Amino acid sequence: DGGITQSPKYLFRKEGQNVTLSCEQNLNHDAMYWYRQDPGQGLRLIYYSQIVNDFQKGDIAEGYSVSREKKESFPLTVTSAQKNPTAFYLCASANRGGNEQYFGPGTRLTVT
Amino acid sequence: QQQVKQSPQSLIVQKGGISIINCAYENTAFDYFPWYQQFPGKGPALLIAIRPDVSEKKEGRFTISFNKSAKQFSLHIMDSQPGDSATYFCAASKNSGGSNYKLTFGKGTLLTVNP
Repeated sequence: DGGITQSPKYLFRKEGQNVTLSCEQNLNHDAMYWYRQDPGQGLRLIYYSQIVNDFQKGDIAEGYSVSREKKESFPLTVTSAQKNPTAFYLCASANRGGNEQYFGPGTRLTVT
Repeated sequence: QQQVKQSPQSLIVQKGGISIINCAYENTAFDYFPWYQQFPGKGPALLIAIRPDVSEKKEGRFTISFNKSAKQFSLHIMDSQPGDSATYFCAASKNSGGSNYKLTFGKGTLLTVNP
């Protein structure tokens, strides 16, 4: 099956710990994105990458970091500097120059 | 500054009725306007999209109406069904010289279709 996988579906961490969320795609897409979703806030762009070894900050990048070492993988690290890390995190991908973004199933992160 | 404003926040419709969700944008450079559907605990999925060179696009029971002069676009769901109950997001993006597009999302509308 082609698509985007995010793991795990639920993740629990203690405050002060860094945590890495996984995103893998087998759609051969060049571009990948990370969004954060909070109730009533829509989707907000954290980071995006248009090509391997390159990425740009989105609207709310503070407290997050990413890497893009492989075309199919775009992991997101939520650092201890992120003030309110508890949220639903969504990964997406798109063809080069394409409009349509395909989303993964999401990871719900809870930090206590 | 919110670039895409979506209303209403929530909507309750009877089965068979018409659901209408509205969005307004500010940036006249936007040239792609998609609607996404999201079920609880799932990722959003593209429902239908339109470009500003047409005023309406229909796919099955779903129609986008686009008013370029008013900078508004709306989603109409005809013959709404309980299975349509979900959160709907409008979005907008602009051509970045051939580079991949960044989508700006509205805050979403929770649609409930009562049987």
